[in-house]
Amino acid sequence: KQEVTQIPAALSVPEGENLVLNCSFTDSAIYNLQWFRQDPGKGLTSLLLIQSSQREQTSGRLNASLDKSSGRSTLYIAASQPGDSATYLCAALISSGSARQLTFGSGTQLTVLP
Amino acid sequence: DGGITQSPKYLFRKEGQNVTLSCEQNLNHDAMYWYRQDPGQGLRLIYYSQIVNDFQKGDIAEGYSVSREKKESFPLTVTSAQKNPTAFYLCASKDFAGATNNEQFFGPGTRLTVL
Repeated sequence: KQEVTQIPAALSVPEGENLVLNCSFTDSAIYNLQWFRQDPGKGLTSLLLIQSSQREQTSGRLNASLDKSSGRSTLYIAASQPGDSATYLCAALISSGSARQLTFGSGTQLTVLP
Repeated sequence: DGGITQSPKYLFRKEGQNVTLSCEQNLNHDAMYWYRQDPGQGLRLIYYSQIVNDFQKGDIAEGYSVSREKKESFPLTVTSAQKNPTAFYLCASKDFAGATNNEQFFGPGTRLTVL
């Protein structure tokens, strides 16, 4: 069964730092890998989606990479800002019977200190 | 203003009561999903529906029920059989369940507390 792990569970950095969030998955048979942002008590906002055939995706200060062979994805945030403080979740899209489902990691809670 | 709405935002339930959480989308998406999130954990799939009048159990369906009578609506009932229902519930939709190149969109969530 696919397992998705995010380490560390929490991270604090000073404003302006570049940082990397990690996501690992046990089964490389994924269709895509998605990164989401969740603010406290809110729903999820999709940040980036990387197809299994792609190596990376970029949006503004965010860059996500995917290495299926090693079962890893990273989310790089450049020049971090206090407004980036949130929980970041990764999720792998996998086959489940006749359907396709997302399997989520438990998230990394990021705090950017002013 | 397109999107997914969930109501209520906060819900309190006494033990032994059934409650229904609402999820509505106006994105014309075929697929809809219900997830449960516990503190410090990722999302776990409760039920999903790929098309109207069809739904399938997810990983933690016991104690829950759903219906999909309309494309835009996918209500979740938390029954008294659910032993630990206090959690944050998130609804999501996707234009086509089988697609691999598009995203799930999430609602704002309902926080259910059992008193």
